[in-house]
Amino acid sequence: DADVTQTPRNRITKTGKRIMLECSQTKGHDRMYWYRQDPGLGLRLIYYSFDVKDINKGEISDGYSVSRQAQAKFSLSLESAIPNQTALYFCATSDPTGSEQYFGPGTRLTVT
Amino acid sequence: GENVEQHPSTLSVQEGDSAVIKCTYSDSASNYFPWYKQELGKRPQLIIDIRSNVGEKKDQRIAVTLNKTAKHFSLHITETQPEDSAVYFCAASWSASKIIFGSGTRLSIRP
Repeated sequence: DADVTQTPRNRITKTGKRIMLECSQTKGHDRMYWYRQDPGLGLRLIYYSFDVKDINKGEISDGYSVSRQAQAKFSLSLESAIPNQTALYFCATSDPTGSEQYFGPGTRLTVT
Repeated sequence: GENVEQHPSTLSVQEGDSAVIKCTYSDSASNYFPWYKQELGKRPQLIIDIRSNVGEKKDQRIAVTLNKTAKHFSLHITETQPEDSAVYFCAASWSASKIIFGSGTRLSIRP
């Protein structure tokens, strides 16, 4: 589904480095989300945004920050990466009902 | 806090047989229960969902049942095929912000 895109798709970085993951969507949805996926833990919500001026923490926001630059763009930053932030990161959008989540292709992040 | 438990974590069935995955949720305010399928190396995609005012929903070979009293819901896949091999996630939600995913079930279909 090319409607939700993420860059980069893969990234290796060192402990202590700042890194930004970017998400863009053409679905016209106001609601955007960042999830983290770890083996055996499913998908856990990091941050979500219901519109450009609305940012909310999810269940695992510590160590992360976000920026909603426009309706179509939602970025996730790791200010000082640590190895246990190694994971697969997904951006998602949803319509106003908040029902179906449309996921991006994911970014595989490795922190050494 | 809110929690969704999913079982089993892995499931292997013979091609043509049925597969059942079960989830239990803790937040009684949950009213929307989607199931996502994630093929290897791909993004999760919605395959079926059910709302709290419905007890069962079918879409061809897949069905979902909901028992609100017991706070559990299940995914049923009949006549399994090789392309059903994937990781399946359940989730429970009562608003766009309060969606909790289960830990996933890796389903393998044996030829």
